[in-house]
Amino acid sequence: RKEVEQDPGPFNVPEGATVAFNCTYSNSASQSFFWYRQDCRKEPKLLMSVYSSGNEDGRFTAQLNRASQYISLLIRDSKLSDSATYLCVLWNYGGSQGNLIFGKGTKLSVKP
Amino acid sequence: NAGVTQTPKFQVLKTGQSMTLQCAQDMNHEYMSWYRQDPGMGLRLIHYSVGAGITDQGEVPNGYNVSRSTTEDFPLRLLSAAPSQTSVYFCASSSPAGVKETQYFGPGTRLLVL
Repeated sequence: RKEVEQDPGPFNVPEGATVAFNCTYSNSASQSFFWYRQDCRKEPKLLMSVYSSGNEDGRFTAQLNRASQYISLLIRDSKLSDSATYLCVLWNYGGSQGNLIFGKGTKLSVKP
Repeated sequence: NAGVTQTPKFQVLKTGQSMTLQCAQDMNHEYMSWYRQDPGMGLRLIHYSVGAGITDQGEVPNGYNVSRSTTEDFPLRLLSAAPSQTSVYFCASSSPAGVKETQYFGPGTRLLVL
């Protein structure tokens, strides 16, 4: 089983739609979780960290379910500018620094 | 404050050639790293450094060398390019020297090895 799995999409949604991405991970010892956003042919940028209690940033809500080992990202009222690839990222403690594990990403395309 | 810069943006190499991908950051970050991104794959860690003079291998280090003589610079050397090294390379930095802290990525170098 891959360490981080995401549905590659693409998710094609109209403006204003609500869209949800899920991500599952295999290492129950994973300690920190993030969503990064990557625009076409650009570098990844941190969208938000994911906390056990769930957290919200404007139209974006992230949830973590440690028992089921999945992370979700909900985008409400989608905008054209939300079109991008969303990367699920987790951090595993190990060695002197641990390491970040990146999912392959889920592509979102928001249409007018 | 330029953040993380990478040069060149694009490069075409022939098999067997060597080259150095440059990475620099002006945020005084201790931690720097190199990733490669291939179609249908997540980013994979090549090498990383937790400070000047200290480097270590990541998940896919074969065929690459790094050095960290200053806090600002972290060049990646391809010793003898192979077609399998065709990829997009991203340099990243973060502070404090904790991997889980927010990583700032450079704009990437697109490399084609013929």
